[in-house]
Amino acid sequence: AQSVTQLDSQVPVFEEAPVELRCNYSSSVSVYLFWYVQYPNQGLQLLLKYLSGSTLVKGINGFEAEFNKSQTSFHLRKPSVHISDTAEYFCAVSGISGGYQKVTFGTGTKLQVIP
Amino acid sequence: GAGVSQTPSNKVTEKGKYVELRCDPISGHTALYWYRQSLGQGPEFLIYFQGTGAADDSGLPNDRFFAVRPEGSVSTLKIQRTERGDSAVYLCASSLQGLGDEQYFGPGTRLTVT
Repeated sequence: AQSVTQLDSQVPVFEEAPVELRCNYSSSVSVYLFWYVQYPNQGLQLLLKYLSGSTLVKGINGFEAEFNKSQTSFHLRKPSVHISDTAEYFCAVSGISGGYQKVTFGTGTKLQVIP
Repeated sequence: GAGVSQTPSNKVTEKGKYVELRCDPISGHTALYWYRQSLGQGPEFLIYFQGTGAADDSGLPNDRFFAVRPEGSVSTLKIQRTERGDSAVYLCASSLQGLGDEQYFGPGTRLTVT
């Protein structure tokens, strides 16, 4: 079965500090990995994705994520956060599971940037 | 260009009633997805269309839920005999081709069953 675990439901961090949002997944086959962001009162939008190739992927707004196959992780990082990064972040995996093409989202991590 | 649109934005219905939720994807996108998002949860996958056909409907919770996409564009999610537990935000997304592509999400329909 395909699943995604976001270990932290909320992450408070001071402005200009670094942040890492954790994501672990399980799947028996090759997968595509995504991070989406949902700003307050807005719809979900893509931050970055990993399909293949370089394990370090860069996204919008200075975010990056590293795919680690051995640890089945895809943690999201930013070296210096801004107030405008306050939002909810969702990790997602898509692939074949049980004969179906499935997309599975994590439960989300709320990033609260403190001035 | 126009993004994914969903109508209505809000729907309040009584328990036992039938509802239809509509999704207009981005023109040219062959893949369309329906999700359900409850408070404090991530989007829960319901169904995925490739063109007119459902490539994966394993996420539909029971046979009260049904979705169609007859012409490969607009999709309708249909819920029969609604229950209070169906209350959630129903999200629609589309992508150019399939699972490796970015999904563009609509604003959602907030369904409240009283």
